[in-house]
This record gives sequence, structure tokens and C-alpha cells, in this order.
Amino acid sequence: KNQVEQSPQSLIILEGKNCTLQCNYTVSPFSNLRWYKQDTGRGPVSLTIMTFSENTKSNGRYTATLDADTKQSSLHITASQLSDSASYICVVTPNDYKLSFGAGTTVTVRA
Amino acid sequence: DVKVTQSSRYLVKRTGEKVFLECVQDMDHENMFWYRQDPGLGLRLIYFSYDVKMKEKGDIPEGYSVSREKKERFSLILESASTNQTSMYLCASSFRDTVHNEQFFGPGTRLTVL
Repeated sequence: KNQVEQSPQSLIILEGKNCTLQCNYTVSPFSNLRWYKQDTGRGPVSLTIMTFSENTKSNGRYTATLDADTKQSSLHITASQLSDSASYICVVTPNDYKLSFGAGTTVTVRA
Repeated sequence: DVKVTQSSRYLVKRTGEKVFLECVQDMDHENMFWYRQDPGLGLRLIYFSYDVKMKEKGDIPEGYSVSREKKERFSLILESASTNQTSMYLCASSFRDTVHNEQFFGPGTRLTVL
């Protein structure tokens, strides 16, 4: 069973609108949680990283939140742009090298 | 900028052929990884190496082998390619530090086995 579940699987939004992606995990113990952005045909690139004690982290128009008690994270995209069209992957790191990947949420931004 | 490069972006092979996928990183990272990515499944770890000539099996090592003769280079080998190995293959590298161990990914190789 995948220890990192993401929702929705995909979504379509209009340019300029906001959206929120969800990530629920069961990985324990927990070291950090990252959100990666993967453009079509490219490798994933890290957007944010949060450790156990952090509950929010921003990177430009991307804001990630973390609730370590409920084991939930979200990624909020503000004022979406066409270049935000990509797959967004939630990745949880336990206390070793072995990452747990979510299946990703595919975001399509339409003009 | 960290750079992870993979030898091919697209590859088409026939069933039974031996396939080599090469990965090179220029950041002096100790760790290197091979993943495959399939729709709806997320990235799955095939093999991992934490040092030259060292390797560890990931979650799905069957049908694959790896080689790490130099620190910057990590090769994935399909001894006898099969159609169920058609996938996107991603290489990654990171420092050994397990706390801030961001993995940097290559662009991926889309392998099709006919």
C-alpha cells in the first residue's frame, strides 16, 4: 500500500485562479516532506521542503503547509500561470535515504 | 547548478536485447538512484548506490542490475529487456546527509520495449 496518497489525481483551472493540492501520508518516523514539480518530459524539481517542526513554507506563488499531527500536507498555487501546468509530487522522507513518493497531481492551467 | 544527465531521452529496444542506461552527475554526490515512473504509480526505486562499487536493491530490482565504477556515474542495465519494462526511467543523486537530502533528478529516459 502506498504510504503517500495525493488528491485530486488531476485538475484543470483557469489562468489567474488559485488551487490547492492535498497529500496524506502514513510514513513514520518522519524526517521531512517535499513538494516536487515535474514538467512534461522532465525530471522532478524540488519546490519546498518542510521538517517536522515547520507548518508552512513559501516559494513564490507556491505555499506548502504541513500538519504533522494529522499527517497531511497541502500545496497552494496562487494566481496560476500557464507555466504551472505540470505534475506535482509529494515526497516524504523517513529517517533514511528511502523516499516515499505520491503518484502526483496533474495540474492543467488553461488561458 | 547541479546537473544530472542521462545518456538518452528516448530509446526503443526489442524484447531480449541488453539495454544500458547511463547517468552522470557533476555535484560530487555520494548517493545515486535509479527509479522508474509509471502512470498512477509514482516513482519506484529500482536500485540505490551510496558509494563507488556499492549498491542496494530498491523496491523493484527484478530484471535490472546496476554498476557504479566511478563516483559520478551510475548505470542501469536490463540484461534481457521485456515489454513490461517499457517505462520512464529517472536517475537522481544526493548528498549522504539524510536530513537535507534533496534528490536532484535527470531529465529521464523514456524506454519502449517492442
